[in-house]
Amino acid sequence: DTGVSQNPRHKITKRGQNVTFRCDPISEHNRLYWYRQTLGQGPEFLTYFQNEAQLEKSRLLSDRFSAERPKGSFSTLEIQRTEQGDSAMYLCASSGVDQPQHFGDGTRLSIL
Amino acid sequence: QKEVEQNSGPLSVPEGAIASLNCTYSDRGSQSFFWYRQYSGKSPELIMSIYSNGDKEDGRFTAQLNKASQYVSLLIRDSQPSDSATYLCAVNPIYNQGGKLIFGQGTELSVKP
Repeated sequence: DTGVSQNPRHKITKRGQNVTFRCDPISEHNRLYWYRQTLGQGPEFLTYFQNEAQLEKSRLLSDRFSAERPKGSFSTLEIQRTEQGDSAMYLCASSGVDQPQHFGDGTRLSIL
Repeated sequence: QKEVEQNSGPLSVPEGAIASLNCTYSDRGSQSFFWYRQYSGKSPELIMSIYSNGDKEDGRFTAQLNKASQYVSLLIRDSQPSDSATYLCAVNPIYNQGGKLIFGQGTELSVKP
């Protein structure tokens, strides 16, 4: 059990560029979650997958955001046409059914 | 009203004292409750989960849940400087389904040597 892995750890990009983050969950976990956290706030739910199915999306997830989990293993979160307000820590978590969520180290996104 | 509310702190306690962290939630249907610890610049780390009314103890940590009052707390006994962190209360508003967590803003705890 190597824990939840996220890449990259840091991403600096210019406004308007597209970015993609990757999350590798704990291997036996079939649920995968994406959250966003800004300074001084708790994480905010974005979306979650059970296996390859995306079962819920937050209103925070505008049409510039898309997430995939094509084979029910790793997941990607893409942000198109980044804006200053997208600067945040993007956290991935995984769990088994009815089990607590465990978080990865996050990807910190900075928009110049 | 926020779905999950915590005092942001900072809460300062001397080393060896009991730290008491509180959380209220608005969704009466909530069934699963979690406490996460987050060190500065790091990701949240699960320290306690509680599902039934009453107390649940794990080492120096005790979680307390009162569903009638929509209140969950975390007690840290014999506080250590290494306990200094932000403590996040999280609630799963849907019983055994989905599992998205609603977080409070966190309470910053400072344990002074």
